[in-house]
Amino acid sequence: AQSVTQLGSHVSVSEGALVLLRCNYSSSVPPYLFWYVQYPNQGLQLLLKYTSAATLVKGINGFEAEFKKSETSFHLTKPSAHMSDAAEYFCAGTNPGGTSYGKLTFGQGTILTVHP
Amino acid sequence: DADVTQTPRNRITKTGKRIMLECSQTKGHDRMYWYRQDPGLGLRLIYYSFDVKDINKGEISDGYSVSRQAQAKFSLSLESAIPNQTALYFCATSLSGGTNEQFFGPGTRLTVL
Repeated sequence: AQSVTQLGSHVSVSEGALVLLRCNYSSSVPPYLFWYVQYPNQGLQLLLKYTSAATLVKGINGFEAEFKKSETSFHLTKPSAHMSDAAEYFCAGTNPGGTSYGKLTFGQGTILTVHP
Repeated sequence: DADVTQTPRNRITKTGKRIMLECSQTKGHDRMYWYRQDPGLGLRLIYYSFDVKDINKGEISDGYSVSRQAQAKFSLSLESAIPNQTALYFCATSLSGGTNEQFFGPGTRLTVL
């Protein structure tokens, strides 16, 4: 992906509420897309990935994301937030094939806060 | 467990000092990467290496250099550290021929005074 944009640097939800983290991409070809989570003082952990198979992708910890080519989006959702979901989330993309393949372009990150 | 490790985990240094950050992996991956993370900017690629003899600059390579000593080791050097290199640095690995899912180390927090 030439660019990846995450809308909203901070998102706050109540425990049990829907989580929606937005990610849009810009790419000349359908990209591979990833969502990573970073817990405090830790590295990044892969939540889920889209690699041109099913457009609805299920990941770990109850998260899922849907690739929508018409909207150039790959939003991350979870039906019911848990306190342990509080973390920073990164969307990233790469273009399969070509000289840039293998390099990930990251969005700016979204910090998710979950209130009791 | 196969893993990506980084040393040191924390480092405080002074302006002008040379510093090296090290990354090792036991995943058997051929590709390795160095990123820096700054608040609000996400992760930005500094250098990447697709195999031992292949080193490439990323989007913010100025002021940094790297060495790929072996398939499993990739080190990042700051020849003369400056305060705006204060950041969290991550090493990552991936396997060629796949989906380029990258696996990250725990990070090194570097402070340049």
